[in-house]
Amino acid sequence: DAGVIQSPRHEVTEMGQEVTLRCKPISGHDYLFWYRQTMMRGLELLIYFNNNVPIDDSGMPEDRFSAKMPNASFSTLKIQPSEPRDSAVYFCASSSRLDVVGTDTQYFGPGTRLTVL
Amino acid sequence: QKEVEQDPGPLSVPEGAIVSLNCTYSNSAFQYFMWYRQYSRKGPELLMYTYSSGNKEDGRFTAQVDKSSKYISLFIRDSQPSDSATYLCAMSDPSGGYQKVTFGTGTKLQVIP
Repeated sequence: DAGVIQSPRHEVTEMGQEVTLRCKPISGHDYLFWYRQTMMRGLELLIYFNNNVPIDDSGMPEDRFSAKMPNASFSTLKIQPSEPRDSAVYFCASSSRLDVVGTDTQYFGPGTRLTVL
Repeated sequence: QKEVEQDPGPLSVPEGAIVSLNCTYSNSAFQYFMWYRQYSRKGPELLMYTYSSGNKEDGRFTAQVDKSSKYISLFIRDSQPSDSATYLCAMSDPSGGYQKVTFGTGTKLQVIP
């Protein structure tokens, strides 16, 4: 399996622009998570989905952030309009309750490094 | 107070040393405990997974959970330069019926040759 795939790997944009981050989870996984990582705050859960349905979006910082999962193999995280304080590394992760390692084991993608100027 | 506390380091040790990484937590409902390793500019990857209290060993790595003290540890024996990374503890409460893992902020480890 190719693992969790994220695109783009790097994104540089100007304040006010729309940013769309993309994620393809591991095939067969029924949970998908979006995280944001910064030096100051560490790894923060933004939102997660179960079977394509958003379950908990309490970590989404504000209305400028939105996430969708139109099918089991694709999800997007959109920021509109972007601000400099959104600069961070955004990770997508997926998991399955039937994972052989153990339930709740999450597999992370390589991340998207976002810089908002 | 955060649910999971982890010393950010950095921790610098000579090659071959025994490394001890620790986390404390406040939620007594946590049942699953994990350690993730994150190399620079990479995503976290699962290193160790344990359920409830006790020890688990995998090669040079040992994970230890003490639920009575709400304290978990990761020991690395014969540390190698390739172990240089940030180590994040993580834990979850399965009673909620869904997967929500709480991560520590990570401890940066540097193993000097």
